Amino acid sequence: NAGVMQNPRHLVRRRGQEARLRCSPMKGHSHVYWYRQLPEEGLKFMVYLQKENIIDESGMPKERFSAEFPKEGPSILRIQQVVRGDSAAYFCASSPPGDSLMGYTFGSGTRLTVV
Amino acid sequence: GQNIDQPTEMTATEGAIVQINCTYQTSGFNGLFWYQQHAGEAPTFLSYNVLDGLEEKGRFSSFLSRSKGYSYLLLKELQMKDSASYLCAVRPSTGGGNKLTFGTGTQLKVEL
Repeated sequence: NAGVMQNPRHLVRRRGQEARLRCSPMKGHSHVYWYRQLPEEGLKFMVYLQKENIIDESGMPKERFSAEFPKEGPSILRIQQVVRGDSAAYFCASSPPGDSLMGYTFGSGTRLTVV
Repeated sequence: GQNIDQPTEMTATEGAIVQINCTYQTSGFNGLFWYQQHAGEAPTFLSYNVLDGLEEKGRFSSFLSRSKGYSYLLLKELQMKDSASYLCAVRPSTGGGNKLTFGTGTQLKVEL
């Protein structure tokens, strides 16, 4: 039973390029969450999705960032025209429907470096 | 709003006991979680409290007082591998999926 799969593990982009981060939730999990973690800081909520629906995007920057979770395939976090400040670790987590007693299962993260 | 406070750093000795405190002020409450995160790795689940009291799981225990907005994680018989960041997280409300609000984490260093 594979856990939450994120790829790539490391991503280097030049300023102005696009970054695409992928997340496949655990089998049986229909809820996906994206978090950003800056060095020495906590996990900051970005967006919560269910299949084909964005449930809560209150933590997403208004520009350049978007997320989707299509009916088929992984969830995608897309960052357009990246800037140095976007450099961070991006973690995806998944959970089953309903209140989980374990909260989330996290993926290993994608470490984005903007040069 | 949501506010979760933890100490930034703690140091303890191998074999000892350490208590990591967490206080929270959230607009609702539907459970408190503790996660462990080693450098460069994903957070992993340690414990969950939704009712007042102590939950024990091996060397790790977690306590909750909802009236005080307070929790602690107790680690016994510390080992070097326990050196990590410990994250306190609150699930603010029901019906919001499992969206969690995290504290900034407590970096624990275990020394010989």
